[in-house]
Amino acid sequence: AQKITQTQPGMFVQEKEAVTLDCTYDTSDPSYGLFWYKQPSSGEMIFLIYQGSYDQQNATEGRYSLNFQKARKSANLVISASQLGDSAMYFCAMREGDFGNEKLTFGTGTRLTIIP
Amino acid sequence: EAQVTQNPRYLITVTGKKLTVTCSQNMNHEYMSWYRQDPGLGLRQIYYSMNVEVTDKGDVPEGYKVSRKEKRNFPLILESPSPNQTSLYFCASSSRGTGGSGGYTFGSGTRLTVV
Repeated sequence: AQKITQTQPGMFVQEKEAVTLDCTYDTSDPSYGLFWYKQPSSGEMIFLIYQGSYDQQNATEGRYSLNFQKARKSANLVISASQLGDSAMYFCAMREGDFGNEKLTFGTGTRLTIIP
Repeated sequence: EAQVTQNPRYLITVTGKKLTVTCSQNMNHEYMSWYRQDPGLGLRQIYYSMNVEVTDKGDVPEGYKVSRKEKRNFPLILESPSPNQTSLYFCASSSRGTGGSGGYTFGSGTRLTVV
């Protein structure tokens, strides 16, 4: 079973609209962290937002928020008031456990295109 | 500035010619790792290191070697590159629990083409 599932290979969104990128995860570990990264065409991985499994509130960073629904094992990224510069590939990732390999398991990504 | 530095950014090489991709971090992180990114597959871990002289295989280690002789450096070695190792490679370092990023910092990536 996939540990991180991103079901939207591509999305087109009108500029200034809000957009939600879906991410579901699978783990039996009670301690885990969820990440979202942005990858523009230049290729670098840009950290957007982080949510720990024990965090009580949804994480927010400027225009980015993470809709964390623990019971449903979903961690959707919400971008408010989208901009042309938001066009990029977006990856959801998870780190499991408290010790040992700090491996990030990534989803296959969603390519977001903002239309003027 | 806290950063992970990878070199080179771009590399085209021929099958069988040994190469090394360097990675260095200035944050005194214990943990470092290498990922490769392929279309439709996301990023997958190649090798990781939990400290100096401690390395272990990730999910796709075949055809790669690593070493960790110093805390700051974690080079990726391809002894005999093959075309199926054409990929975008990322080095990352982390110190669990530090900062809002969950402690992870990625390098800028190395785009490798093996012909």
